[in-house]
Amino acid sequence: DGGITQSPKYLFRKEGQNVTLSCEQNLNHDAMYWYRQDPGQGLRLIYYSQIVNDFQKGDIAEGYSVSREKKESFPLTVTSAQKNPTAFYLCASSGTGGTGANVLTFGAGSRLTVL
Amino acid sequence: GQNIDQPTEMTATEGAIVQINCTYQTSGFNGLFWYQQHAGEAPTFLSYNVLDGLEEKGRFSSFLSRSKGYSYLLLKELQMKDSASYLCAVSDSNYQLIWGAGTKLIIKP
Repeated sequence: DGGITQSPKYLFRKEGQNVTLSCEQNLNHDAMYWYRQDPGQGLRLIYYSQIVNDFQKGDIAEGYSVSREKKESFPLTVTSAQKNPTAFYLCASSGTGGTGANVLTFGAGSRLTVL
Repeated sequence: GQNIDQPTEMTATEGAIVQINCTYQTSGFNGLFWYQQHAGEAPTFLSYNVLDGLEEKGRFSSFLSRSKGYSYLLLKELQMKDSASYLCAVSDSNYQLIWGAGTKLIIKP
């Protein structure tokens, strides 16, 4: 079945360490997204990519980095520059163009805790 | 600024009907989405409205009034498995999604 796979599901990090969250999709979607979810807040966009080798900053990109070397893959690195990285991270993908373009399919999420 | 408002929490009884409201103020409008998210899990798509009126899909219906910047999600014949958070999101003029904080729905027997 097609879908999005995120790993790891749970991750613990010491302050000052970089960590990379994996996101892989086999839906043949062009667009991929990373969101952060905190209690009591709406989803906030970190980065998005609409095509291979291209990506744009979202609303809260500081302290994060991404790459899009393959259509299927969109890893997110949480760097030591991110001051408050403890959160639930969601990867999503969608088609592009048309009314269905914004219908997102989400991965199961990765919960990052900084110790 | 852009803003999506929805109630933080609602409680309803199994078998009953509940309406979750969402009001929005955005720069442009290219559709409104409802997603369901069970605790600790990924959001899943429920409905999409771009024209005024009611869209029905089984036990779930979604309504939109663009002139009022208002939508609601109506859940009928509530089941315990409907206990979840319901997220409202609006696609703005740049087709970027603006998300509400979500409404946590608690179903009691």
